Order: sequence, then structure tokens, then C-alpha cells
Amino acid sequence: SQQGEEDPQALSIQEGENATMNCSYKTSINNLQWYRQNSGRGLVHLILIRSNEREKHSGRLRVTLDTSKKSSSLLITASRAADTASYFCATDARDYKLSFGAGTTVTVRA
Amino acid sequence: EAGVAQSPRYKIIEKRQSVAFWCNPISGHATLYWYQQILGQGPKLLIQFQNNGVVDDSQLPKDRFSAERLKGVDSTLKIQPAKLEDSAVYLCASSLVPTDSPLHFGNGTRLTVT
Repeated sequence: SQQGEEDPQALSIQEGENATMNCSYKTSINNLQWYRQNSGRGLVHLILIRSNEREKHSGRLRVTLDTSKKSSSLLITASRAADTASYFCATDARDYKLSFGAGTTVTVRA
Repeated sequence: EAGVAQSPRYKIIEKRQSVAFWCNPISGHATLYWYQQILGQGPKLLIQFQNNGVVDDSQLPKDRFSAERLKGVDSTLKIQPAKLEDSAVYLCASSLVPTDSPLHFGNGTRLTVT
């Protein structure tokens, strides 16, 4: 079963704009991870945020976690064409299994 | 470091035939995962190994799917007999420890069942 759900399902932005996507989950977690998947490729790990953390940064990526609302957001700043991909959140619901959502498809227009 | 290797990259079979996928994880990674990703969906965990023992296979259709991890390194996933609904990308991933470290994915095997 899928623990996390991403919103929106799809997002189209102009190059240079910021992209924000959200993930909601149902049960308490140990950590939440974000992954990127380019067409026809495997998933690539972006950021892992633990349940006792509220915000993490990596380059142009910013992830927040609100455990009281059971939600997380991924912000990509100053988007580039290479950011065109599907983005997935994955949660470890304290059962040492990582469950993925259905993903947000991001298209960055030149 | 070398990434997770999977083969074959593509496979087309007819329903009721059998197929096998192979995965070589990153050296030293104790945890190995097989995920099924149907077009337009997120990956679904089929089976998770810790070294050569099965940690979770609750979503593996055991009447037709089987998996093994020999000597805690390479792994094979087999489908016999295949059904149309098995058409998907089969992703192998590995990590140092279960879920508390990043998963490293291979590029997957795209299976088409006709």
C-alpha cells in the first residue's frame, strides 16, 4: 500500500521559476525521503529528512517536514530544463520498509 | 563507486512464459530491494532482503513470483508464469542499512507481456 501521496500530480513551470510539491502521509514515520526519476531511468536519491528534523537543504533543493500535519514539501529553486522529471516521496513508517507515493511530474519549459 | 547493475534492460515475453531478472547491488550494501513500477505509478515493494534473508515479501505474488539472494550479494527475481498485468519496470535497489540510508537504484528492467 502507498503511504505517501504527492500533490500536485503534474506541474509545468518556466525555466528560472520555483517548483513546489507536497507529500502527505498517514502514519508516524522514522524518516521521509525524496527521489527524482528521469524518463526511462531508475530513481535517484535527493534528500533524507528524519522525523526530528524540520528543514534540510541541498543545493537548490529545500525540504520541510511537519510531523504534526503529516506532510512534507520539496522546493526546487531557479528551475532548469534538467529538472524535468518525476519526483517521489518515500516514507519509512517505522516498519523498515520504504513506501513510495505516485509522484509529481515536473516539466520545466525553456 | 559502481552503481546497482541490472539485466536485461528490456524483455518481451508472451503470457504464461517465464522470465528472470538479475541484480548486482553496490558492494557492501546489506539490504537489497525489488520494486515493481507500473507505468504512471510509484514503485511498489515486492521483496526486501537483509544479507541473504528475507525481511519482507508481503506484496510478492508468491504463486508466480520468486526471488533469491545468493551469498548475500547478487539477486534474481523470477516470474513463472507471466500474466499481462505483470508488464512493468522492475527496479532493484540497495542500501547500507534498511531505510535509514539512501536507496541506490538500478535503471530497471522493462518487461512487456503480450
